[in-house]
Amino acid sequence: DGGITQSPKYLFRKEGQNVTLSCEQNLNHDAMYWYRQDPGQGLRLIYYSQIVNDFQKGDIAEGYSVSREKKESFPLTVTSAQKNPTAFYLCASSTPGTGEKLFFGSGTQLSVL
Amino acid sequence: QKEVEQNSGPLSVPEGAIASLNCTYSDRGSQSFFWYRQYSGKSPELIMSIYSNGDKEDGRFTAQLNKASQYVSLLIRDSQPSDSATYLCAVNHREYGNKLVFGAGTILRVKS
Repeated sequence: DGGITQSPKYLFRKEGQNVTLSCEQNLNHDAMYWYRQDPGQGLRLIYYSQIVNDFQKGDIAEGYSVSREKKESFPLTVTSAQKNPTAFYLCASSTPGTGEKLFFGSGTQLSVL
Repeated sequence: QKEVEQNSGPLSVPEGAIASLNCTYSDRGSQSFFWYRQYSGKSPELIMSIYSNGDKEDGRFTAQLNKASQYVSLLIRDSQPSDSATYLCAVNHREYGNKLVFGAGTILRVKS
C-alpha cells in the first residue's frame, strides 16, 4: 500500500541531545513537509522540500535541520538548540497540480526527559 | 486578523443532526481550501477539498466556499458519534509561498 511512514511513534529526548525523526513515502510525491503541532494549536510548518537536494525553511525552522538525499526520504533532526521540542511532529507529502493537497504520516510524539 | 480562523468549540450536536463548521481566511487570492479530520493522538486525514465558489458534496459531507466573503464551511449531515474529532481548515496563502496555512481546529462532539 502507498503511504507515508513515520518512525518512531514516540521519542524521548534528553537535554542537549539531537534526535532524528524518520519520514519515508512511496507515493512518488515530489514535495515533502514537516509540521509541528502543539496542543490546541494548528499545524506550523518547519521545513519543506519540493525536489531532491533542495529544501526551504518554514515558519519555525530554528532549532531544526533536514536533508533530502532521496525522493522517498525527508528526515528531521531536532537539535539541542530547540529549547521547547515537546510536540507532535507530522510529515506530509504532496504532488504538483493538486493545490498543495497534503497527505500525512501517522506522526511522532516527541517528549523531553 | 489571523490567516485562517476557526471557532475552537467544542461544538456539540446530537446524533443525526447537521454539524456546521466554519472557517474564515485573510488572503483574497487563496485558491485551494481543504478540510481535515483529526482524531485525538492521530494525524490529520483529508476529507474534503474545494477550489471554486459554491458547494461540493461527498457522501455526508458538503464543503461550501464563498471567496467574496472569504469564508469556507463544512457541513456534516446525519452526524455520528464517530464524527467526533477536531476539524482543521487549511488554505493556501500567497504570503507563505502558497503553502497551506492551518486553522487551530474546531472540536466536534456528537452525542448519542
